[in-house]
Amino acid sequence: GQQLNQSPQSMFIQEGEDVSMNCTSSSIFNTWLWYKQDPGEGPVLLIALYKAGELTSNGRLTAQFGITRKDSFLNISASIPSDVGIYFCAGLAGGTSYGKLTFGQGTILTVHP
Amino acid sequence: GAGVSQSPSNKVTEKGKDVELRCDPISGHTALYWYRQRLGQGLEFLIYFQGNSAPDKSGLPSDRFSAERTGESVSTLTIQRTQQEDSAVYLCASSLQGSRRDTQYFGPGTRLTVL
Repeated sequence: GQQLNQSPQSMFIQEGEDVSMNCTSSSIFNTWLWYKQDPGEGPVLLIALYKAGELTSNGRLTAQFGITRKDSFLNISASIPSDVGIYFCAGLAGGTSYGKLTFGQGTILTVHP
Repeated sequence: GAGVSQSPSNKVTEKGKDVELRCDPISGHTALYWYRQRLGQGLEFLIYFQGNSAPDKSGLPSDRFSAERTGESVSTLTIQRTQQEDSAVYLCASSLQGSRRDTQYFGPGTRLTVL
């Protein structure tokens, strides 16, 4: 089946630093999504991308849909302690009209004050 | 609250027993999804319901897994003859219409432990 390769698996950073994580796929996706999951809760959508090359920001978060449609990245600027959590990329394959999402394995982010 | 709710929040069962997990979607949402999340992993799609259409069961790992939905409301995921590898968090999500631009809102999940 389709797989998303997400990296890095974990990150330990100081408060105020910028963070970057990415996802790659062997097949084309027509939608890329980035979610954050806190312990004991379900994922919450951060950013959605629908067009190749699209660059979208949400506060300190910026994400891009790769031109090849096989990759996406998420940047977090000026990290704060509440950014701690697990970040997941998710994609929707081409030809699929509804939300049967494929998820990456997650990036665990730890922010030291 | 107005979010997706799931019950129970935790379920411990013995190998071979059947379990039922419940999901209450957001009112008015016609699409409902079930995912499985193993420890330290991303979410795996299990099944999708949209209105009165036949559900997409392509993600169900075996015939021990089944799910039903009553109209556009409650859904139940049933796992028969549970195995230890079924231990995971089972997450339910709902969205307004199920189109690719709809946001999926997730519940908190049910943590299933099979002894």
